[in-house]
Amino acid sequence: GAGVSQTPSNKVTEKGKYVELRCDPISGHTALYWYRQSLGQGPEFLIYFQGTGAADDSGLPNDRFFAVRPEGSVSTLKIQRTERGDSAVYLCASSFGGARETQYFGPGTRLLVL
Amino acid sequence: SQQGEEDPQALSIQEGENATMNCSYKTSINNLQWYRQNSGRGLVHLILIRSNEREKHSGRLRVTLDTSKKSSSLLITASRAADTASYFCATDGRGQGAQKLVFGQGTRLTINP
Repeated sequence: GAGVSQTPSNKVTEKGKYVELRCDPISGHTALYWYRQSLGQGPEFLIYFQGTGAADDSGLPNDRFFAVRPEGSVSTLKIQRTERGDSAVYLCASSFGGARETQYFGPGTRLLVL
Repeated sequence: SQQGEEDPQALSIQEGENATMNCSYKTSINNLQWYRQNSGRGLVHLILIRSNEREKHSGRLRVTLDTSKKSSSLLITASRAADTASYFCATDGRGQGAQKLVFGQGTRLTINP
């Protein structure tokens, strides 16, 4: 079956602009996760959804970052007033359940803020 | 902040040799997982080992877990050029926050033909 998909693959924007990154999880997976990966580092957790609700948003760096999952499937990560330091690869993952389940990752969106 | 630490940070070996990567972590875990990443994009899940398991095999992969030392190792036998990638260990904690994975910085593995 289809894996996790993310769009766009690459996004170039200017400092101060607003961006939206989309994630389509594996069908039937109730849990969805966003991670951010800077160059040369491992991914860092941002937010976790169980169904439609954000069960853990402790990894969001500040209030410029927000994510939604209104119907419990597709999720959108929104970044307001982008800064150069937001440049990274944003990874989405999904799992069948929640804790202690294997997380399957999408290909990521590479965001570059100029 | 990252919990895990992979060792070595980079490893270069000849095709056909075995590659061993190590991971250490700091807090109690439920599971430890190993992922592979090519060219800085999506991570491919390799293997999950639970805290009550000590060793697990999958094809050419062998993972060990020592919870008393808070460490794990990934062994790739008979390496191939296609194994060239970055390898990450990831742990999930217990209790609150159990669902989020905490990754190390990764080991960059290069297989020379």
